[in-house]
Amino acid sequence: DAKTTQPTSMDCAEGRAANLPCNHSTISGNEYVYWYRQIHSQGPQYIIHGLKNNETNEMASLIITEDRKSSTLILPHATLRDTAVYYCIVRVAAGGYQKVTFGTGTKLQVIP
Amino acid sequence: DGGITQSPKYLFRKEGQNVTLSCEQNLNHDAMYWYRQDPGQGLRLIYYSQIVNDFQKGDIAEGYSVSREKKESFPLTVTSAQKNPTAFYLCASSSGQGGNQPQHFGDGTRLSIL
Repeated sequence: DAKTTQPTSMDCAEGRAANLPCNHSTISGNEYVYWYRQIHSQGPQYIIHGLKNNETNEMASLIITEDRKSSTLILPHATLRDTAVYYCIVRVAAGGYQKVTFGTGTKLQVIP
Repeated sequence: DGGITQSPKYLFRKEGQNVTLSCEQNLNHDAMYWYRQDPGQGLRLIYYSQIVNDFQKGDIAEGYSVSREKKESFPLTVTSAQKNPTAFYLCASSSGQGGNQPQHFGDGTRLSIL
């Protein structure tokens, strides 16, 4: 799987949009971009994933650049409960089972 | 609500003792996984199961055992052979195995040695 690079930490004011970047310059054409988050002492929570097109669900939006070398996770109105470590990973589309492997992630702190 | 339930939330093991961690899902997922997470580290795959009555070793299976007798259940036993069992254990499931099938996680069991 391609390697991803994320900033170590970010702050966001409560109520504002949180934009979390991820670089995946070596991504292959058949690799999905996934985002998870983990709040301290809880299990990872799946947020969103995409291949080429931008995606939106009830939690967030995922913007993938045209060349697919980077992406941005957008939390439109951050709340204190969004404070967590956010992980960006890539996963191959096919080929049997695939484990989930997290890097160091971005620690997002939402500030009142 | 559909989800993955892990129990207990906290577990303590004495030296030489086997302990079993429970994982139940009501998402009707075929695939289930066990991961271990150590402080400041990422996830490491212990075992996975693609279908009932079948399971495969992951990257760190030594000292662990599993069973998959029912679709919704995938218990993990930490045996006395696992010399460093203190960790946060996470169970996950997915509807399929491909990259377009997200894995959903439970809230974990934290295992400590007495």
